[in-house]
Amino acid sequence: RKEVEQDPGPFNVPEGATVAFNCTYSNSASQSFFWYRQDCRKEPKLLMSVYSSGNEDGRFTAQLNRASQYISLLIRDSKLSDSATYLCVVSGKTGDYKLSFGAGTTVTVRA
Amino acid sequence: GAGVSQSPSNKVTEKGKDVELRCDPISGHTALYWYRQRLGQGLEFLIYFQGNSAPDKSGLPSDRFSAERTGESVSTLTIQRTQQEDSAVYLCASSLVFMDTQYFGPGTRLTVL
Repeated sequence: RKEVEQDPGPFNVPEGATVAFNCTYSNSASQSFFWYRQDCRKEPKLLMSVYSSGNEDGRFTAQLNRASQYISLLIRDSKLSDSATYLCVVSGKTGDYKLSFGAGTTVTVRA
Repeated sequence: GAGVSQSPSNKVTEKGKDVELRCDPISGHTALYWYRQRLGQGLEFLIYFQGNSAPDKSGLPSDRFSAERTGESVSTLTIQRTQQEDSAVYLCASSLVFMDTQYFGPGTRLTVL
């Protein structure tokens, strides 16, 4: 089983729509969770960290469900510029610096 | 300020040749990571440097891969006797301290013919 699994998509949505997707992780001891964004043929960039209580950054909302070992990302009022691949990133246990990256979920926002 | 830079941006080589990839982290960042990303796949951890501590080489796929870092600056990833399966984008990232936000370089796209 992969350490981090994501639905590859693509999720094709019209501008203004809401899109949401999940990521599951296998290591129950994982402590840190992130969403990174990767544009085509570009390097990944941090979108947001994911906190236990859930957190919001503008149109983006991230949730963590430790019991079921998944994190989610919701994008409201989608913009064309949101088209990208979203990488789920999970750390190991406390003190473990290694990050495990999912293969990504592709989102395409159409006009 | 300047971000993470990598060179070359593209490298095409013949099977069996050695290649050296370079990463210049953000100044002051003590942690440096190398990852490999094959087409359509997630990032695969290769190696991690933290300050002057011994690097964690546990992610290196074979003994053909090695990496060095000079203090808290430049790092080089060397692949000896390249194979076609080494073809991928090699990404370098640095962070201020470990587990802090990682900032990625643009990557080196390696193609082994």
